[in-house]
Amino acid sequence: GAVVSQHPSWVICKSGTSVKIECRSLDFQATTMFWYRQFPKQSLMLMATSNEGSKATYEQGVEKDKFLINHASLTLSTLTVTSAHPEDSSFYICSAIRDSRIYEQYFGPGTRLTVT
Amino acid sequence: DQQVKQNSPSLSVQEGRISILNCDYTNSMFDYFLWYKKYPAEGPTFLISISSIKDKNEDGRFTVFLNKSAKHLSLHIVPSQPGDSAVYFCAASDGYKLSFGAGTTVTVRA
Repeated sequence: GAVVSQHPSWVICKSGTSVKIECRSLDFQATTMFWYRQFPKQSLMLMATSNEGSKATYEQGVEKDKFLINHASLTLSTLTVTSAHPEDSSFYICSAIRDSRIYEQYFGPGTRLTVT
Repeated sequence: DQQVKQNSPSLSVQEGRISILNCDYTNSMFDYFLWYKKYPAEGPTFLISISSIKDKNEDGRFTVFLNKSAKHLSLHIVPSQPGDSAVYFCAASDGYKLSFGAGTTVTVRA
């Protein structure tokens, strides 16, 4: 159990457009979901924490108006990159937890975003 | 400010030998530590963890050691197998979020 999926697995979009990435917990209800960003050969950087039905909490330096997060249900969170620019190209990974145990995160397979 | 550091970006080891991965942290509020394995274009998968009240945890070929006074942990893989070739991330939890190191790429040579 504890499977997290992401869709799409990769996406290419033009500068100025918006792209939505979905994160789903397939076999459990996720009280909290996390969105990370990973640059090549670098660490996973936490972007934001989202709880179902409430506003996401963004990490310092992450533009909340650019990276819109919606946690509409206990099994779905979405990340929308608005007005994408080439510097937004990255690997985006979500994770989910079943209860309040932050250290038991189940990660999705990631989404490769390329902005041209 | 990187609170979790993996200073060795890569490690090459012969099959059957021991792999030792190291991780240092700066935040004394971290109370739980984890190791993840990651393949390219995939999400991390959990390997092994340790609570700050312990100094060792073992699971099959994987053992994690924690030295709180030195703010250092290590992962031992014995014996190393070709399927162990991947990127290994060290992570630490303060109860609110996970902080990750930059990863160590392990290559197991036949």
